[in-house]
Amino acid sequence: DGGITQSPKYLFRKEGQNVTLSCEQNLNHDAMYWYRQDPGQGLRLIYYSQIVNDFQKGDIAEGYSVSREKKESFPLTVTSAQKNPTAFYLCASSPDPQGGGYTFGSGTRLTVV
Amino acid sequence: RKEVEQDPGPFNVPEGATVAFNCTYSNSASQSFFWYRQDCRKEPKLLMSVYSSGNEDGRFTAQLNRASQYISLLIRDSKLSDSATYLCVVRSTDKLIFGTGTRLQVFP
Repeated sequence: DGGITQSPKYLFRKEGQNVTLSCEQNLNHDAMYWYRQDPGQGLRLIYYSQIVNDFQKGDIAEGYSVSREKKESFPLTVTSAQKNPTAFYLCASSPDPQGGGYTFGSGTRLTVV
Repeated sequence: RKEVEQDPGPFNVPEGATVAFNCTYSNSASQSFFWYRQDCRKEPKLLMSVYSSGNEDGRFTAQLNRASQYISLLIRDSKLSDSATYLCVVRSTDKLIFGTGTRLQVFP
């Protein structure tokens, strides 16, 4: 079955550590996105990529980095520069960067301990 | 002003009731519109697209008013399983902008 897979489901990070969240899709979608959701808040865009080897900053890119070396994969690194990283992270993909809805992965809950 | 605004609710309705959610957007150049459903601690899932002519999918009806920059979702004959947060979503250029959602709780 086609879909988008995020791992791990839960992640605990010590302060000062970098962590990488995985996002893999087998839908053959060109565009991929990373959002962050905090309790009681909407989704906020971190980074997005419309094509392999290219990506753009979203609204809250500071303290995060991404790569898009393969069409199927769009990992997100939460760096130690991100001051408040505890959140629910959602990866999404879309077949058409200019139209249509997104398919989301099941998310990663990151907690700083 | 937020790009997409929704009443956060919660809307508490009995089974069988009809409930309507509204949403306004600020960018008149927005190109397409959607409603997503998000269950507690889960990912959002596309419920339906919204067209100017209005569209219906079973018990759900979505309407778009471009002149007023207003989107609505009507749910008829509410079921317990409709309890969720409903996200109004607007496409502006190359990305989707999500509202904070309206929470619906259907009780027996």
